[in-house]
Amino acid sequence: KAGVTQTPRYLIKTRGQQVTLSCSPISGHRSVSWYQQTPGQGLQFLFEYFSETQRNKGNFPGRFSGRQFSNSRSEMNVSTLELGDSALYLCASTHTGTYGYTFGSGTRLTVV
Amino acid sequence: GESVGLHLPTLSVQEGDNSIINCAYSNSASDYFIWYKQESGKGPQFIIDIRSNMDKRQGQRVTVLLNKTVKHLSLQIAATQPGDSAVYFCAEFFSGAGSYQLTFGKGTKLSVIP
Repeated sequence: KAGVTQTPRYLIKTRGQQVTLSCSPISGHRSVSWYQQTPGQGLQFLFEYFSETQRNKGNFPGRFSGRQFSNSRSEMNVSTLELGDSALYLCASTHTGTYGYTFGSGTRLTVV
Repeated sequence: GESVGLHLPTLSVQEGDNSIINCAYSNSASDYFIWYKQESGKGPQFIIDIRSNMDKRQGQRVTVLLNKTVKHLSLQIAATQPGDSAVYFCAEFFSGAGSYQLTFGKGTKLSVIP
């Protein structure tokens, strides 16, 4: 069975631009969570979606947003990019959101 | 490859030796705890988990110990191999009041010396 797929793998954006990242969960998984990973802060929780509803949100500014579609695929958007947004963005899916998180390989975002 | 452990504590072990990676967690109400392995260029990969009502769980070459008194978790890897070189993260899962969240520790970089 296919794993969690994140696209694109790499992105370079300019400060002030906006970006959209995509995550396709494992088939049958209805919960998708997003994490930001940086060397200084480690893995930090952004938000979680379940059946198209945001169920939980981390402590990130409103520039970070997401959504989930009826097929469970999820996107996250970052507007007005800052240099500090450079990070590896990871997506994880589970069936219910309570167990068995499987991660994708991430999208490496570089803001210049 | 991806560099995710620039500021991480590092554990260096000789191939064939046992490795012990430690982690302190914060929420005494967490439901279960998980160890993940992250290799360069990849996302975290599940290794083993343990429920909060257990104190030990064994897998293939790995053992997780949970000490709730001091909120400490450890991962023991037997007969460490070069392929075990990676960054290891502990994570705690908490669910309550409709909120579900997996919170990660800072990670430890394991380097295996052939």
